[in-house]
Parts: sequence; C-alpha cells; structure tokens
Amino acid sequence: KAGVTQTPRYLIKTRGQQVTLSCSPISGHRSVSWYQQTPGQGLQFLFEYFSETQRNKGNFPGRFSGRQFSNSRSEMNVSTLELGDSALYLCASRIGQGGSYEQYFGPGTRLTVT
Amino acid sequence: AQTVTQSQPEMSVQEAETVTLSCTYDTSESDYYLFWYKQPPSRQMILVIRQEAYKQQNATENRFSVNFQKAAKSFSLKISDSQLGDAAMYFCAYRTRNYGGSQGNLIFGKGTKLSVKP
Repeated sequence: KAGVTQTPRYLIKTRGQQVTLSCSPISGHRSVSWYQQTPGQGLQFLFEYFSETQRNKGNFPGRFSGRQFSNSRSEMNVSTLELGDSALYLCASRIGQGGSYEQYFGPGTRLTVT
Repeated sequence: AQTVTQSQPEMSVQEAETVTLSCTYDTSESDYYLFWYKQPPSRQMILVIRQEAYKQQNATENRFSVNFQKAAKSFSLKISDSQLGDAAMYFCAYRTRNYGGSQGNLIFGKGTKLSVKP
C-alpha cells in the first residue's frame, strides 16, 4: 500500500497570502489529522477529520481551516499568512477514530513565509 | 489538560550500546495510550512502540522496550544494541482512550535528539 502523501513538499509564500496544503491518506483510512511542527512549539495538533466532518480541533486561530473530501483526501488552508506560520505541516491518517488505531504520518509540507 | 515532558533535548550513545530516553506525562485519566515516535532527519515520522495504560506489562519491539511506571507517570524508551540508523528525533506522545472528545489527537513532548557514534 502507498503511504500517506502530502503535496507540495516545499512552499514559499509571502505574508498576507493564503496557502492550501493537500494530504492523501493511506487507502482505506478514513481519519486524517493535521499537525504543525516548529522548533519552538514542537508538534501541535491542528484538527482531525473523519468521514468529511471535523471531529476535533486544536488551539489555533480561525485562519487555519481544513476539509475532507468523500475519498478521504484532506486539505488545510491558512489565510493571511504570518511569519510565525513557517513550519513543517504533517498529516497523519488512520483507519478509524478510536484511540487504539495507529496513526501513519506523511513526509510533511515545509512552509516558509517571508 | 494532558502534558508530556521530555527532559533530555539531546542524547548520545555509542554504537552497540544501550541508551534510555526519558518521558513523563501528566493526566487525570486512568485509561490512555502512550507512544514513542522516531523522526529521522528529513524523513517521515514512524511509530516505534506503543503502550496501553491498562496493560501492566511493558511493551517490547525487537531492540526497543519501554519502562512504563503508571503511578509515577513515567514512560521511558530503552534502545539496546544501538545502530547508526537509530539516530533521529524521538518523540513521546499521549492519546486519550476515552471515546469522544479529544481522542483523535496526539499530545507530543518536545523531543530528544539521539546521536549514535560509530
């Protein structure tokens, strides 16, 4: 099976712009979670989608949003980019929503905001 | 709210030797999962080992084992016979077992960078 894929892998944007990142989960996985990884804050949970519905949300401003499509692919959008949004954005998928299911991570999208 | 603390930002080990990475956590829950993830440089994060809090037996995966002390809220990772390929960032993570609420997300520690010397 193919692993979790994320596109693009690298992205450079300017302050004030918006960006959309994409995540394709492992086939058959219905849950997709997003995490932000920075040197200062570490790994922080953004949100989780399951069956096209946001099930859980971390403590991020409303500029961060996401969605999930019927094929379980997910996108996250960041509007009005700030320098502090520079980070590695990781996507993770799992089969179901229960706490026992293992999460598989993608390679991440490295976003640089200038 | 749950928190995870890794007090060792960096560790170093000689090839073929054993190293232990520390992790403590804070929670008021009685049932949860604990994980160790490995993130090699510029590579994907992968699960190394997981522990279910209701199981008293420590988890083991080949050269990787944990020392789970529930009362002390401690969850350390022991790597035996260290190999060059073990060099990576290691993250300790917590997830609630309770259905509903925040069961989807992992709460991570800040990580420990492990170097392996040949």
